[in-house]
Amino acid sequence: EAQVTQNPRYLITVTGKKLTVTCSQNMNHEYMSWYRQDPGLGLRQIYYSMNVEVTDKGDVPEGYKVSRKEKRNFPLILESPSPNQTSLYFCASSFLIYNEQFFGPGTRLTVL
Amino acid sequence: GIQVEQSPPDLILQEGANSTLRCNFSDSVNNLQWFHQNPWGQLINLFYIPSGTKQNGRLSATTVATERYSLLYISSSQTTDSGVYFCAVLYTGNQFYFGTGTSLTVIP
Repeated sequence: EAQVTQNPRYLITVTGKKLTVTCSQNMNHEYMSWYRQDPGLGLRQIYYSMNVEVTDKGDVPEGYKVSRKEKRNFPLILESPSPNQTSLYFCASSFLIYNEQFFGPGTRLTVL
Repeated sequence: GIQVEQSPPDLILQEGANSTLRCNFSDSVNNLQWFHQNPWGQLINLFYIPSGTKQNGRLSATTVATERYSLLYISSSQTTDSGVYFCAVLYTGNQFYFGTGTSLTVIP
């Protein structure tokens, strides 16, 4: 089944404890992206990747890192999480940037 | 950046009614997509529509890029149409910007 998977789905952590949210797609998509969703703000793009080893900042990249070592995986890294990073995170992928995006199920992160 | 505004912010419909959702954007864009977020949080792509008109069952969408707006039509609404509808635009090459959404509730 074609899909985008994210893990974990739910995470509660404390300020400063490094964490990684994984994202994987099995559709051989080149474009992958991370978004955060906050009430009243819609979805905002954090980072995106046009292909392997090609990543770039979105609208709200501060406090996040990403890597794209393989085509299928695009992990989101929070080196030192803070409470203002409490949010719902979505990973998405598309064959190319101009194609329809497919979203993962979301990861709800709470930073205490 | 670009401003992406959606209207109305909230909409309540009786089952069977029709509705029109609007997405306005403040600059030229390369790509426009409509998404539905169901009550369980899942985001589903409805249309990729940088210009013109597309139809998929009871849903259709029209984008007039020169006038910087897109419309999503929902006909004969059903309770399963409830959720939040987002438009997203591709701006300055590689970055996507989302509107703040229209929350739709369809009551039986």
